[in-house]
Amino acid sequence: QKEVEQNSGPLSVPEGAIASLNCTYSDRGSQSFFWYRQYSGKSPELIMFIYSNGDKEDGRFTAQLNKASQYVSLLIRDSQPSDSATYLCAVRPSNYQLIWGAGTKLIIKP
Amino acid sequence: GAVVSQHPSRVICKSGTSVKIECRSLDFQATTMFWYRQFPKKSLMLMATSNEGSKATYEQGVEKDKFLINHASLTLSTLTVTSAHPEDSSFYICSARDGSGGQDTQYFGPGTRLTVL
Repeated sequence: QKEVEQNSGPLSVPEGAIASLNCTYSDRGSQSFFWYRQYSGKSPELIMFIYSNGDKEDGRFTAQLNKASQYVSLLIRDSQPSDSATYLCAVRPSNYQLIWGAGTKLIIKP
Repeated sequence: GAVVSQHPSRVICKSGTSVKIECRSLDFQATTMFWYRQFPKKSLMLMATSNEGSKATYEQGVEKDKFLINHASLTLSTLTVTSAHPEDSSFYICSARDGSGGQDTQYFGPGTRLTVL
């Protein structure tokens, strides 16, 4: 069974620090990887996607993919209280359906 | 990013009634849409995959006769909760697959909060 694992948290990070969120997946054939952010009571919002090994940067966000080790991470630089949310990792194996992690709750403390 | 709308955002109904939720992709065509439900503080749970012009594919344990899905056009999918009961109260979220421009991503609607009295 294809699985995506995330630490449920909460992960507490001081404001201005780097928040590091990790995700591992079981299907070695997975092709696409996504990070979504979900505020309480709201629907998920796409932050980033990554397809290739290495880093991908977008503003304060950096996604890192290591297919050999089967993990994908999300770094948030200069963390702000508004970054406090649940971060969902999603992985697409060979077909189009996403496999979702349970999410990591991130708390940024002022 | 692409925009997906959902209507209504919130609905309260009596037990036994049916509720229809609409999901629209506003600026792209979506051959595939997905319906999720989420209970408080719980993970997203995929209910079904909706394909334009064909029958939806339901996940194990989801009653297809209770949760009717219609994907009549490339921009609209509807979920009808039939004979709703209090245990159907949940946050229902749709997403639409955008495969244009070399990407293949899912964008979510804002969700519908259903309360069945």
